[in-house]
Amino acid sequence: EIVMTQSPATLSVSPGERATLSCRASQSVNSNLAWYQQKPGQAPRLLIYGASTRATGIPARFSGSGSGTEFTLTISSLQSEDFAVYYCQHYNNWPGTFGQGTKVEIK
Amino acid sequence: EVQLVESGGGLVQPGRSLRLSCTASGFTFGDYAMSWFRQAPGKGLEWVGFIRSKAYGGTTEYAASVKGRFTVSRDDSRSIAYLQMNSLKIEDTAVYYCSSPLSHNAILTGLHWGQGTLVTVSS
Repeated sequence: EIVMTQSPATLSVSPGERATLSCRASQSVNSNLAWYQQKPGQAPRLLIYGASTRATGIPARFSGSGSGTEFTLTISSLQSEDFAVYYCQHYNNWPGTFGQGTKVEIK
Repeated sequence: EVQLVESGGGLVQPGRSLRLSCTASGFTFGDYAMSWFRQAPGKGLEWVGFIRSKAYGGTTEYAASVKGRFTVSRDDSRSIAYLQMNSLKIEDTAVYYCSSPLSHNAILTGLHWGQGTLVTVSS
């Protein structure tokens, strides 16, 4: 089973600043990597798939990069609605394991 | 608009069974795989299992933690996916989400999600 490791666990950022979240896979997942956003009491929302493709309706301030084992989600200018927990998930094979999440909180 | 609505959650004793339902609307249900994910209280996300569309054999895959105890099925005529959970354990306590994937080639992804239903396993 591929282990996904996200860092940091918590990221404190001021509104308008840039946030950079990392995700590492224990072995190559090619570009089969997705990012989700989850707010308290809500279901996850797909942000990015294929490591770098934004899902429909996702604002351009969200961008993804990487391939193989190292991936990054960047939020260029944090808005109030972006404070949430972010998960990466590989879907290279099953089980499509998730990282443990990065909580983006208001600084 | 795609809508997924889970039902059937609740409190159940260890060792007992429970069946969750996911009623879909807004898309051609039979054309898509359907997945179940779960999230234990205060924890991260875990993929539970999926069922492929009939066009891809309607076959299923499961996480090791539930294999042999949980079964995913579907009724395309009613646009409903099911998660039959047997021999429930305390560690199965979680919010269970049904989801439809981005595509068959990204079958483990969750594009559309239901609101979730809470399953609590406790004596």
